[in-house]
Amino acid sequence: KAGVTQTPRYLIKTRGQQVTLSCSPISGHRSVSWYQQTPGQGLQFLFEYFSETQRNKGNFPGRFSGRQFSNSRSEMNVSTLELGDSALYLCASSLLLAGAEQFFGPGTRLTVL
Amino acid sequence: QQQVKQSPQSLIVQKGGISIINCAYENTAFDYFPWYQQFPGKGPALLIAIRPDVSEKKEGRFTISFNKSAKQFSLHIMDSQPGDSATYFCAASIKGGTSYGKLTFGQGTILTVHP
Repeated sequence: KAGVTQTPRYLIKTRGQQVTLSCSPISGHRSVSWYQQTPGQGLQFLFEYFSETQRNKGNFPGRFSGRQFSNSRSEMNVSTLELGDSALYLCASSLLLAGAEQFFGPGTRLTVL
Repeated sequence: QQQVKQSPQSLIVQKGGISIINCAYENTAFDYFPWYQQFPGKGPALLIAIRPDVSEKKEGRFTISFNKSAKQFSLHIMDSQPGDSATYFCAASIKGGTSYGKLTFGQGTILTVHP
């Protein structure tokens, strides 16, 4: 069974631009969570989607948004990029309704110049 | 507010030794405690997980010890190997409610196993 896939793997943007990252969960998984990983702040929860509905959101500004499609694929968008948005963005999928056991993709490395 | 505190930040162990990483949590509503292993350039991989109704869980060389009263849990890696060199994260989550899909992570421990 294929794992979680994320595209693109690497991205370079400039301040003020916007970016869209994509995540395809493991087949059959309906819950998708997004995390930001930085050396200073570690792994921080962004949001979680289940059946196209956002069920939970972390403490990030409104510039960070996401959505989930009917096939469970998910996208996250960051608008008006700032230097501090440079990070590894990780997507995790889960089979269980409660989303406890999560499996991570390889991440998208975003660099903001 | 850091709800999961992990120590040490880095750990150096000789091949064949025991690696021990500790985590402490604050929120007593947490009821699921996984450990993840991350290699450079890769996403975190689920290693082993425990729920608070058991005090210990073992899978191969990896063991989680859980102390509910102290709100602490730890990862023991027996017979540590150079291939175990990676960053390890403890995490915690609440099943259901308004905390769907949210893992709260510790800050990570960089483990180096010398041959």
